[in-house]
Amino acid sequence: QITLKESGPTLVKPTQTLTLTCTFSGFSLSTSGVGVGWIRQPPGKALEWLALIYWDDDKRYSPSLKSRLTITKDTSKNQVVLTMTNMDPVDTSTYFCAHRSPMFGLDYWGQGTLVTVSS
Amino acid sequence: SYELTQPPSVSVSPGQTASITCSGDNLGDKYAYWYQQKPGQSPVLVIYQDSKRPSGIPERFSGSNSGNTATLTISGTQAMDEADYFCQAWDSSTGDVFGGGTKLTVL
Repeated sequence: QITLKESGPTLVKPTQTLTLTCTFSGFSLSTSGVGVGWIRQPPGKALEWLALIYWDDDKRYSPSLKSRLTITKDTSKNQVVLTMTNMDPVDTSTYFCAHRSPMFGLDYWGQGTLVTVSS
Repeated sequence: SYELTQPPSVSVSPGQTASITCSGDNLGDKYAYWYQQKPGQSPVLVIYQDSKRPSGIPERFSGSNSGNTATLTISGTQAMDEADYFCQAWDSSTGDVFGGGTKLTVL
């Protein structure tokens, strides 16, 4: 059974750096083809893809946010970490992590964590 | 960057067929995926690789993808199908791209 759970601060101040951790179980991020992605959703708005890390440490970033994002993995801890620098109120969103398989796409999602950016 | 366009809303009567479209340049050359999201919940994959249903997804959900348009079809729509639906595709330059979402109302 694959599960993922996001953790991190619920409130950050403008200009601060956000660090989110995705802790997962039921799969290994060393399995060929597997990835973990981050997606966010502002309140009442659409999903926005942020970043993806593959089993082989290949990393992909949203072109519009690439300069602010870093994604890393710790295979031994079953964790993926996303950092986003220079947070702004417009970054207020629910942040999701998701398991990505070559065939099924984003087939398992975490429950999401709401991050509010406010002074 | 690659973009996917969906209608903001679709309405359907119970028992009827709902169709939700997703448009993008040569989308038919990519795989399309569809996610259902109910209020306060995480997205759930309902269609992968254009037309395949994951285990546990009712047969009334189907998909197609050709040319510039992918379509999610819900046959015999039920009240429980009322939700937001998002299409998604992978673009080599942009990464995973989501459509703007379609709110399906069953009335």
